[in-house]
Amino acid sequence: EAQVTQNPRYLITVTGKKLTVTCSQNMNHEYMSWYRQDPGLGLRQIYYSMNVEVTDKGDVPEGYKVSRKEKRNFPLILESPSPNQTSLYFCASSLGGARTNYGYTFGSGTRLTVV
Amino acid sequence: GENVEQHPSTLSVQEGDSAVIKCTYSDSASNYFPWYKQELGKRPQLIIDIRSNVGEKKDQRIAVTLNKTAKHFSLHITETQPEDSAVYFCAPNTGGGNKLTFGTGTQLKVEL
Repeated sequence: EAQVTQNPRYLITVTGKKLTVTCSQNMNHEYMSWYRQDPGLGLRQIYYSMNVEVTDKGDVPEGYKVSRKEKRNFPLILESPSPNQTSLYFCASSLGGARTNYGYTFGSGTRLTVV
Repeated sequence: GENVEQHPSTLSVQEGDSAVIKCTYSDSASNYFPWYKQELGKRPQLIIDIRSNVGEKKDQRIAVTLNKTAKHFSLHITETQPEDSAVYFCAPNTGGGNKLTFGTGTQLKVEL
């Protein structure tokens, strides 16, 4: 089954403790992206990647890192999480490549709470 | 950043009525215009999209219309059903086509 898999689904952590949210897709998509969703703000892009070893900042990249060493994986790293990073995170992938004019397939989401 | 606005933010209709949600964008280079549906506790899912060389697209009870000159596109749902109740997001491509910028969402409630 074609899908985007995120782990974990739920995570509670403490301020400053490094964490990684994994994202993997099995559709051979070139484009992958991370979004955070907050009430009243919709989905805001954190980082995106147009291909292996190619990543770029989205609209809200501060406090996050990503890597794209393989086509299928695009982990999101919070080196020193803070309470304002408490949010619902979605990974997405697309066939789009250099121009995102194809639909996104989203993962199931990761609800992160930083205390 | 690129500006994307959706109206209304909430919409309540009676079952069987039509619903229309409008999305306005600012990036004149946008050429891809999708709509996503997000049910409570679920991931966003693509329901319909349109490209800039087309003015309207239909898929059963849903349709999208595009006015590229005025920089807005709309989602039309006819014969609404309770299962249409969800949050709907528009997400035109922006930034040279490298990303989708989401609107803030419209909560649609279909009442029996």
